[in-house]
Amino acid sequence: EVQLVESGGGLVQTGGSQRLSCAASGFTFTNYWMSWVRQAPGKGLEWVANIKHDGSGSYYVDSVKGRFTISRDDAKNSLYLQVNSLRAEDTAVYYCARYQWSVGAFDLWGQGTMVTVSS
Amino acid sequence: EIVLTQFPGTLSLSPGERATLSCRASQSVISSYLAWYQQKPGQAPRLLIYGASSRATGIPDRFSGSASGTDFTLTISRLEPEDFAVYYCQHYGSSPWEFTFGPGTKLDIK
Repeated sequence: EVQLVESGGGLVQTGGSQRLSCAASGFTFTNYWMSWVRQAPGKGLEWVANIKHDGSGSYYVDSVKGRFTISRDDAKNSLYLQVNSLRAEDTAVYYCARYQWSVGAFDLWGQGTMVTVSS
Repeated sequence: EIVLTQFPGTLSLSPGERATLSCRASQSVISSYLAWYQQKPGQAPRLLIYGASSRATGIPDRFSGSASGTDFTLTISRLEPEDFAVYYCQHYGSSPWEFTFGPGTKLDIK
């Protein structure tokens, strides 16, 4: 089955860190750019970060630059997001998503993992 | 930087009616990279339309998309009960490797 499954969310203190994971299955992981998209409670979708299919480049929304790091382990078909120096405004559901360049869209999404930042 | 604006913010309609949702880009964009997503409460977004007008796999033909300059439209010809959800448009942002979503339109049952 083609799917993405996130894990690693939870309650973390302001200034703390967390590592989010996304396990991919059912498709050739190395063919795709992968992304993280987040959604704060009751709010809209916000793209967070991208990583190229071969890991040679990554891109971030301005609000997380220097604090978040996206990475991938192709041997494990896994995507990661290391989130550091967390702020209250980082509280959100974090979705892993596959970007399909041939259609110019996110064509596969995971179910999301919730990160709650609390003081 | 490309900013996407969606309107209306909320649209209240009844099953069987036609829904027209709009998305406007702040500058000229490439229609090939304009997508629409549907999100139901507690669920992940689902790709509906890509390339402004192509339906994703498994999407019913009551969903259609169109483009005119910087204006994009998602039309649902006859609303089914399962269509009541939030709809987002998406394009790349300040570069082709960074992405942006519109704020969403909530489609409510009247």
